[in-house]
Amino acid sequence: GAVVSQHPSWVICKSGTSVKIECRSLDFQATTMFWYRQFPKQSLMLMATSNEGSKATYEQGVEKDKFLINHASLTLSTLTVTSAHPEDSSFYICSAGGQGVGNTDTQYFGPGTRLTVL
Amino acid sequence: AQSVSQHNHHVILSEAASLELGCNYSYGGTVNLFWYVQYPGQHLQLLLKYFSGDPLVKGIKGFEAEFIKSKFSFNLRKPSVQWSDTAEYFCAVISSASKIIFGSGTRLSIRP
Repeated sequence: GAVVSQHPSWVICKSGTSVKIECRSLDFQATTMFWYRQFPKQSLMLMATSNEGSKATYEQGVEKDKFLINHASLTLSTLTVTSAHPEDSSFYICSAGGQGVGNTDTQYFGPGTRLTVL
Repeated sequence: AQSVSQHNHHVILSEAASLELGCNYSYGGTVNLFWYVQYPGQHLQLLLKYFSGDPLVKGIKGFEAEFIKSKFSFNLRKPSVQWSDTAEYFCAVISSASKIIFGSGTRLSIRP
C-alpha cells in the first residue's frame, strides 16, 4: 500500500533555532500533501495544504512565515519551523494523497515527528 | 463551516462486547467520510471510508460503519471487540476544499 515517511521521528532543539521536517511519499507521487499538528490527547489540526510546484495554503491562525512549507517534488514536502519556541513543541504529522493511489481524497499519513523546543 | 463531532471521548469495554462509536457531521452537500485509527505509538491508519453507494461500509479488522444521511451520522461499529482494538479512533470528513476535517477523537480502552 501507499507509504508515507517522515524524518526525523523526533527532534529536540534550543529556542530560537529552526527545524526542518521532511515528508516523503515512498511508493507513489503525491500532488497534494497536508501538514497537521496534534496536541496531547487532542485531534489533528490542519496547518496547511502543500501543492507540488506552488505555494502552500495556510489555515487561519497559522503563521506562514513561521511554518515554511516547500513541496518541490511529487514525493517530498518539507516543513520548517523557524525560530522555534517552547510553545511550538508538538507532534507534527503529514499526509499525502495523489494520483495512483486510488482516489485523491484518500490520505495516507506519516508516522509523525515529535518536536521539543527547550 | 463543515465540522465533525464525536461525542464519546473515552469508551471502556470488556473483550467480546459490542462497540458503537458516534460520529456526526455538519455539511449539506455530498460528503466523503472516513474512520481512522491510531494505535498507541503508531501513526494514523485508514479503517474504512464512504464515498457513495451502499451506506453500510465494511472496513478492516471487522469494523463497519453506516452512513445515515437523514441523521448526518457515520457511526462506527464492531460486534465483538478485542483487547488489540485499544486505540484512538477519529472520524473525518472531506471538506469542499479537499481537506480532511477530523473529529476530536474517541479513546477506546478494552479490558482483557
